[in-house]
Amino acid sequence: EPEVTQTPSHQVTQMGQEVILRCVPISNHLYFYWYRQILGQKVEFLVSFYNNEISEKSEIFDDQFSVERPDGSNFTLKIRSTKLEDSAMYFCASNSPEAGYTFGSGTRLTVV
Amino acid sequence: GNSVTQMEGPVTLSEEAFLTINCTYTATGYPSLFWYVQYPGEGLQLLLKATKADDKGSNKGFEATYRKETTSFHLEKGSVQVSDSAVYFCALSDHLDMRFGAGTRLTVKP
Repeated sequence: EPEVTQTPSHQVTQMGQEVILRCVPISNHLYFYWYRQILGQKVEFLVSFYNNEISEKSEIFDDQFSVERPDGSNFTLKIRSTKLEDSAMYFCASNSPEAGYTFGSGTRLTVV
Repeated sequence: GNSVTQMEGPVTLSEEAFLTINCTYTATGYPSLFWYVQYPGEGLQLLLKATKADDKGSNKGFEATYRKETTSFHLEKGSVQVSDSAVYFCALSDHLDMRFGAGTRLTVKP
């Protein structure tokens, strides 16, 4: 069964550093998403991406965040200058009208 | 906008007890509804889904029926097991994006 692959599974970074979280969506899906889950809390929508541009973003997705689909297969989330409160599990998802959503297994980001 | 409200936890049950986790939604249009499960230390797994009114999603003994008249999608299981201990998320999608409820932590004791 096709999977959404996220790397790394766990990343530790120092406050103020830039991080890039990587995702490989399912190849024939057209819609891509990032979600965040702070430990023990709800899953929060960050951003959706379609046709090489952001289609919707939440209030969490401020200027510190950016997304990119650099090469037609990867879908990345960049956090420019990490803060302690960015520590969370970040989930990538892709979607097609036929198959629905598929989530990756997540990247746990720890900012120290 | 679209939103999901689910029963707050935590919920603690004994093995073989009946489970209900309530979920109601607010949406424009005709969304699809989902239940996701998150086992300790793991990611989100799709448990079941329903794409239109009166559809029943089912998997691993869990069921939920899409009720348009009550805007609900309550999760039920007739006899829970210790291995069902997890966090359960109700979610709604209008195809453009998916919105999650706050999650309900279920603990099943032997």
